[in-house]
Amino acid sequence: DADVTQTPRNRITKTGKRIMLECSQTKGHDRMYWYRQDPGLGLRLIYYSFDVKDINKGEISDGYSVSRQAQAKFSLSLESAIPNQTALYFCATSDSLIRNEQFFGPGTRLTVL
Amino acid sequence: AQSVTQLGSHVSVSEGALVLLRCNYSSSVPPYLFWYVQYPNQGLQLLLKYTTGATLVKGINGFEAEFKKSETSFHLTKPSAHMSDAAEYFCAVSTGGGNKLTFGTGTQLKVEL
Repeated sequence: DADVTQTPRNRITKTGKRIMLECSQTKGHDRMYWYRQDPGLGLRLIYYSFDVKDINKGEISDGYSVSRQAQAKFSLSLESAIPNQTALYFCATSDSLIRNEQFFGPGTRLTVL
Repeated sequence: AQSVTQLGSHVSVSEGALVLLRCNYSSSVPPYLFWYVQYPNQGLQLLLKYTTGATLVKGINGFEAEFKKSETSFHLTKPSAHMSDAAEYFCAVSTGGGNKLTFGTGTQLKVEL
C-alpha cells in the first residue's frame, strides 16, 4: 500500500465551485505539505504544517486553505475555484528527525473549467 | 532566501551516452541539496541527497551528484543512459531545519535509441 495517498486522483470542476483535495499518510511523519506543479514552473509550496496545531502559508497560498484534521491527514481546499488553479497538486510528508527528505503522494490532477 | 536554477528544460541523449543534468543553487547558509525524479503520471521520488560529509553522493538507478561549494552546483550524472531513465528531474534546495524545499523548474530527459 502507498505510504502517501491522495484523493481524488483526477477532478474536473467549474469556476466558482468549492473543491477539497485530501491527503493521508501512514508513514507516521509529523510534517505535511501541499505543492502545485505547473509546466515550466516546477513545484511551488502552497501550505505546510509542522504538526496538527502548526499551519503555515507557503509562497502561493492565496485562494487556498488547509486543514490538518489529524497527524495523518492534511486537506487542501479551493473555496471558489478559478481556471488558473488548474494544475497538478502534490501532498508530501517529512519527519522532523530526518533532515529535509520529503515523500510525495501520486498527485491530483485538477482542471477548473 | 534560497533558489535553484536548472539549465536546460529539455535534454536529449542517446541510449548508452552520459547523462548530465545541471543544477545551480543560491543559499546564504550551507544547503541541503536533493534530486527528485518524476516518471509520467507519478509523484516525485528521491534520487539522492546531500546534507553533510562526502561531496560525491550516489543515488538510486546509477545516478550520482557532486556538491561543489565553490561553483554553487549540484549536477546530476549517470555514465550510461537507459531508456527507463526518461523522466522529469527536479533539483531542490533546503536550508536550516525547516524541511522546506525550494524546487527548480525541472529538466525533461529524453533517451533516444
